[in-house]
Amino acid sequence: KNQVEQSPQSLIILEGKNCTLQCNYTVSPFSNLRWYKQDTGRGPVSLTIMTFSENTKSNGRYTATLDADTKQSSLHITASQLSDSASYICVVSAAGGYNKLIFGAGTRLAVHP
Amino acid sequence: DAGVIQSPRHEVTEMGQEVTLRCKPISGHNSLFWYRQTMMRGLELLIYFNNNVPIDDSGMPEDRFSAKMPNASFSTLKIQPSEPRDSAVYFCASSLGTSGVEQFFGPGTRLTVL
Repeated sequence: KNQVEQSPQSLIILEGKNCTLQCNYTVSPFSNLRWYKQDTGRGPVSLTIMTFSENTKSNGRYTATLDADTKQSSLHITASQLSDSASYICVVSAAGGYNKLIFGAGTRLAVHP
Repeated sequence: DAGVIQSPRHEVTEMGQEVTLRCKPISGHNSLFWYRQTMMRGLELLIYFNNNVPIDDSGMPEDRFSAKMPNASFSTLKIQPSEPRDSAVYFCASSLGTSGVEQFFGPGTRLTVL
């Protein structure tokens, strides 16, 4: 069964600190992996999209890594800001057809001053 | 660009009533998705349209749910009759193509069925 699992479920850090969120998946065949940020009361917003051949991709203070061999990804946030408080959702697209998205449950991050 | 537009933003209704959610995708996008998000199940795809044609409706929970896309700039998701377990946030998303492209989500409609 195609699944995406994220850890931790929730995380609290102090402003200015770094953090890393984890994502493991069993989706096969694999097409691409995305990280979305979802602020409370809003729709998800894409941070990065990585294909099989990409190991790392950055978007400002967000850096995503992908190990397609171990089927693991991470999202590293550098120098966190209060505005980083949100849910971060790992999403994997299965190859074939129309590349249906399979969503993880998300990690809820709270950045405290 | 205004992004994906959804209405209403909030809907409170009583069990048994008909509910219609509306979506206007980003102009020029040819793929439209309806998702449902709950605390228990996270985000789930309900139905996917490509060029106004339903391609995958395997995520539609049951016959009480129906979706239409009469033209490239408008889609509806209808629940009739509604039940308390339908309470969730419903998102519409659109994209230009599907493979490896970004999906842009609307702000969602929070549905509460009493």
